[in-house]
Amino acid sequence: AQSVTQPDIHITVSEGASLELRCNYSYGATPYLFWYVQSPGQGLQLLLKYFSGDTLVQGIKGFEAEFKRSQSSFNLRKPSVHWSDAAEYFCAVGALNDYKLSFGAGTTVTVRA
Amino acid sequence: DVKVTQSSRYLVKRTGEKVFLECVQDMDHENMFWYRQDPGLGLRLIYFSYDVKMKEKGDIPEGYSVSREKKERFSLILESASTNQTSMYLCASSLGLGEGETQYFGPGTRLLVL
Repeated sequence: AQSVTQPDIHITVSEGASLELRCNYSYGATPYLFWYVQSPGQGLQLLLKYFSGDTLVQGIKGFEAEFKRSQSSFNLRKPSVHWSDAAEYFCAVGALNDYKLSFGAGTTVTVRA
Repeated sequence: DVKVTQSSRYLVKRTGEKVFLECVQDMDHENMFWYRQDPGLGLRLIYFSYDVKMKEKGDIPEGYSVSREKKERFSLILESASTNQTSMYLCASSLGLGEGETQYFGPGTRLLVL
């Protein structure tokens, strides 16, 4: 079965600074990888996903993520954060012929002025 | 755009009550899911359904049941609510191709059991 680890529980970043959120997965074959964002009191919104092809994936709100098979990682980045990026971010992994996703515990991002 | 709606944003129930959480999706998706979300634990799958009247247990089904009588609607039932079921409950749906496809989430129901 697949699993996901998000090593950072909480990150604080200044507005305008860059952001990188880490995600490590465990799965024997090629994974399907997702990043979701949850604003306070809201459901989860898909930021981006990787199924195959180019390992650098562009998403909404200026986010990108890079799949590195050798490191079993799928880290999320944004060059310049905005106060509205304060939220909780979840990495998830899925697999071929499996309807289910496994989610990490989440990383909370605080943006300071 | 896919729209997943949940019947309530906030619910307060008493221990022992039977609780129904309703979820509706409008995109003709085959799969529907119920998760609970707790701080530090991420999302844990309670049940999912891959077709009308079909269901499978997720990772934490104890104390819950589900019903899917129509394709667009998936209900989570707490037969006898307990305080340890106080949580945020999220419903999701996906198209149903069986390839780890994207799940779309509702806004969540925050349940407090007293």
